Amino acid sequence: LAKTTQPISMDSYEGQEVNITCSHNNIATNDYITWYQQFPSQGPRFIIQGYKTKVTNEVASLFIPADRKSSTLSLPRVSLSDTAVYYCLVGDISNQGGKLIFGQGTELSVKP
Amino acid sequence: EAGVAQSPRYKIIEKRQSVAFWCNPISGHATLYWYQQILGQGPKLLIQFQNNGVVDDSQLPKDRFSAERLKGVDSTLKIQPAKLEDSAVYLCASSYRDRGLRYEQYFGPGTRLTVT
Repeated sequence: LAKTTQPISMDSYEGQEVNITCSHNNIATNDYITWYQQFPSQGPRFIIQGYKTKVTNEVASLFIPADRKSSTLSLPRVSLSDTAVYYCLVGDISNQGGKLIFGQGTELSVKP
Repeated sequence: EAGVAQSPRYKIIEKRQSVAFWCNPISGHATLYWYQQILGQGPKLLIQFQNNGVVDDSQLPKDRFSAERLKGVDSTLKIQPAKLEDSAVYLCASSYRDRGLRYEQYFGPGTRLTVT
């Protein structure tokens, strides 16, 4: 399973765009990249998932370069409610179920 | 749709006692996971079920932890006897694969266990 490395913490201000980069040098051909968000006293929540290039949904964008050795989660115009821990996970989801390894995550603090 | 349900939400026990956690996954989700999350760390997978069969239990401390998923629906995780280092949040998650290959785990609120 590919190991991921991401910053321990980040600070931002309301209204700014936040980019969290995750390094996964040993990513395998069948691996997908997934990001989860976790608020205190809650379970993680799926944000976005991708394999290559760019994926966008209603809450975030995921940028994956051609070599796939890193990925960047982009949160546009963050608000105080985006203060949470963000996890980058890499794993093979092609078989039923899939196994994902959570790292330590990035603790994002959004200030007014 | 209803989310993943877990009970109890909180539990305090003394070391060497036993405890059990219950999880009801989202209807139709074949895969069920139990994670342990120690304060300040990411969730650590303990066991993964596919229907009622175990797919991965490589990180489950089998001398004290056990889990079952009867009839491929609800699941229970048991610790016997508990140690101080078992203090953590125990998260249950379930998943399915949609037609677009997107794979998402849905997490319950967790059970916070304190061992004194």
